[in-house]
Amino acid sequence: GNSVTQMEGPVTLSEEAFLTINCTYTATGYPSLFWYVQYPGEGLQLLLKATKADDKGSNKGFEATYRKETTSFHLEKGSVQVSDSAVYFCALSEDTGANSKLTFGKGITLSVRP
Amino acid sequence: EAGVTQSPTHLIKTRGQQATLRCSPISGHTSVYWYQQALGLGLQFLLWYDEGEERNRGNFPPRFSGRQFPNYSSELNVNALELEDSALYLCASSLWVGGGYTFGSGTRLTVV
Repeated sequence: GNSVTQMEGPVTLSEEAFLTINCTYTATGYPSLFWYVQYPGEGLQLLLKATKADDKGSNKGFEATYRKETTSFHLEKGSVQVSDSAVYFCALSEDTGANSKLTFGKGITLSVRP
Repeated sequence: EAGVTQSPTHLIKTRGQQATLRCSPISGHTSVYWYQQALGLGLQFLLWYDEGEERNRGNFPPRFSGRQFPNYSSELNVNALELEDSALYLCASSLWVGGGYTFGSGTRLTVV
């Protein structure tokens, strides 16, 4: 079955530091890939997505590139802010009819210090 | 445009009771998904409804059930509540899976 593996957390960074959160996946077909963010006390928000190999998703200074050869979708940001403190989830979906659903990684907590 | 709305925001129940959680999708979205987010367990897929039918189900016991109404809103019912059912229950809607989901803010269920 499909699965998503995220790096272990939590991650603590100083403001303006560079961020990388690793995500790799296993899928039988050609999935779409997503990053979701969950701020404290809230539901999940779609941060960015990529639907095919070599696509780059970007939003709010975050970027991730769909790498089919390494089955990865790592999240990066050049300069994090305190307001980026949240839980980040990598996810994939395959539109396979009855089995269609989003499969999530375990999530990683990011804390950014002033 | 209104987002996905869930009610109630918080729910406290006693072990053995039943809980009913509600979700209204974004207008025009026909698919509704339910996820459980329990502490330390990540997001676990519960149920998927589309066009009023249950399309897929996660690895949860039958006491987790639900339905989707003609207006595409949905209800999640949890019978015979157990302490480990305490979690944040998230509802999401979409037009199609490849477009990603839009999530509601969740219902925090506490079983005491």
